[in-house]
Amino acid sequence: QITLKESGPTLVKPTQTLTLTCSFSGFSLTTGGVGVGWIRQPPGKALEWLALIYNDDDKRYSLSLKNRLTITKDTSKNQVVLTMTNMDPVDTATYFCVHQEWNQLQFDYWGQGTLVTVSS
Amino acid sequence: QSALTQPASVSGSPGQSITISCTGTSSDVSEYNYVSWYQQHPGKAPKLLIYDVTDRPSGVSNRFSGSKSGNTASLTISGLQAEDEADYYCSSYTSSSTYVFGTGTKVTVL
Repeated sequence: QITLKESGPTLVKPTQTLTLTCSFSGFSLTTGGVGVGWIRQPPGKALEWLALIYNDDDKRYSLSLKNRLTITKDTSKNQVVLTMTNMDPVDTATYFCVHQEWNQLQFDYWGQGTLVTVSS
Repeated sequence: QSALTQPASVSGSPGQSITISCTGTSSDVSEYNYVSWYQQHPGKAPKLLIYDVTDRPSGVSNRFSGSKSGNTASLTISGLQAEDEADYYCSSYTSSSTYVFGTGTKVTVL
């Protein structure tokens, strides 16, 4: 059974760097073609894809945010970490961690999400 | 990468069929057969309904079906039920090797 869970601060100040951790179980990021990514959703607004990392350390980033994002993995801990620099109030959102199966291009498992508020 | 365009809202009576459109560009929807659809109930994480334009994951009702024509993908819900009231999002793989989501559609069961 695949599960994912996001953790990190609920409140960050403008200009600070956000660090979110996705802890997962039921699969390994050493398996060929498997990916873990991040998607966010501002309150009352649409989903926005942010980043994805694959077992071979291939990384993909949103073109509009790539200068602010870094995604890394720790296969020994079954974790994926997303950092976002220079946070702004418009970055207030629920951040979801997602799983992508080998050779598939959809997100089949989602974490419950974690709400991050950016405010001074 | 601009968001895919969806109608803000669609409504229907129980038992009816409704269709939600998702319009993209030559760099995403029309280029690839990698459109997926997600259902999101309030306060919950999205759930995968359709992938690769037409395929349903195991456990998803066959009342949900997907299609595509040119740069527009569609999700049809047949035999509308009260539990189908939710937000729906399309998503597509893009020529930049990234992903783009739609603007979202709120489905109301009258």
